[in-house]
Amino acid sequence: KAGVTQTPRYLIKTRGQQVTLSCSPISGHRSVSWYQQTPGQGLQFLFEYFSETQRNKGNFPGRFSGRQFSNSRSEMNVSTLELGDSALYLCASSAGRGIETQYFGPGTRLLVL
Amino acid sequence: AQSVTQLGSHVSVSEGALVLLRCNYSSSVPPYLFWYVQYPNQGLQLLLKYTSAATLVKGINGFEAEFKKSETSFHLTKPSAHMSDAAEYFCAVSLNTGFQKLVFGTGTRLLVSP
Repeated sequence: KAGVTQTPRYLIKTRGQQVTLSCSPISGHRSVSWYQQTPGQGLQFLFEYFSETQRNKGNFPGRFSGRQFSNSRSEMNVSTLELGDSALYLCASSAGRGIETQYFGPGTRLLVL
Repeated sequence: AQSVTQLGSHVSVSEGALVLLRCNYSSSVPPYLFWYVQYPNQGLQLLLKYTSAATLVKGINGFEAEFKKSETSFHLTKPSAHMSDAAEYFCAVSLNTGFQKLVFGTGTRLLVSP
C-alpha cells in the first residue's frame, strides 16, 4: 500500500497570504489528523477529520481550517499567514476506529517571510 | 488533561551501548502510549505502542518499552545502539476514545558516536 502523501513538500509564502496544504491518506483510511511541528512548541494537534466531519480540534486560531473530501483526502488552509506559522505540517491517517496507529506523511515545510 | 514529559532533550551514547530514553505521562484515565521516531526531513514512524495488553512492548529495530503504572513511565530502551538509530524520538499519549488525537512530548534527540 502506498503511504500517506502530502503536497507540496515545501512552500514559501509572505505574511498576509493564505496557503492550502493537501494530504492523501493510506487507501481505506477514513481518519486524517493534522499536526504542526515547530522548534519552540513541538508537535501540536490541529484537528482530525473522519468521514468528512471534524471530530476534534486543537487550540489554534480560526485562521487554521480544514476539510475532508468523500475520498478521505484532506486539505488544511491557513489564512492571513503570520511569521509564527512557519512550521512543518504533518498529516496522519488511520482507520479511525478506537485507538489505532496513526501513519504519518513526510510533511509540508512552510516558510513565511 | 493528559501530558507527556520526556527527560533530556539530547542523549548521547556510543555505538553498542544501551539506549534509554525516558518518558513519563500524566493521565486521569488509562492511557494509550506510543513511541515515534523522526529522521531528518521525514515524518514520524511508529516504533511501538502500548494499548493495555502486555506491559512490556516490543517494537521495530530492536526497541522495546515497559509500561509502569506505579511510576507513570514508559521508557524506551534498546540493548545495543547502532549509528542508524541517530534520530529524534517522541513519546505520545492518547486517551481511550475514538478520537485520533496524540499529545506529544518535546522529543529527545539521540546521538550515536562510533
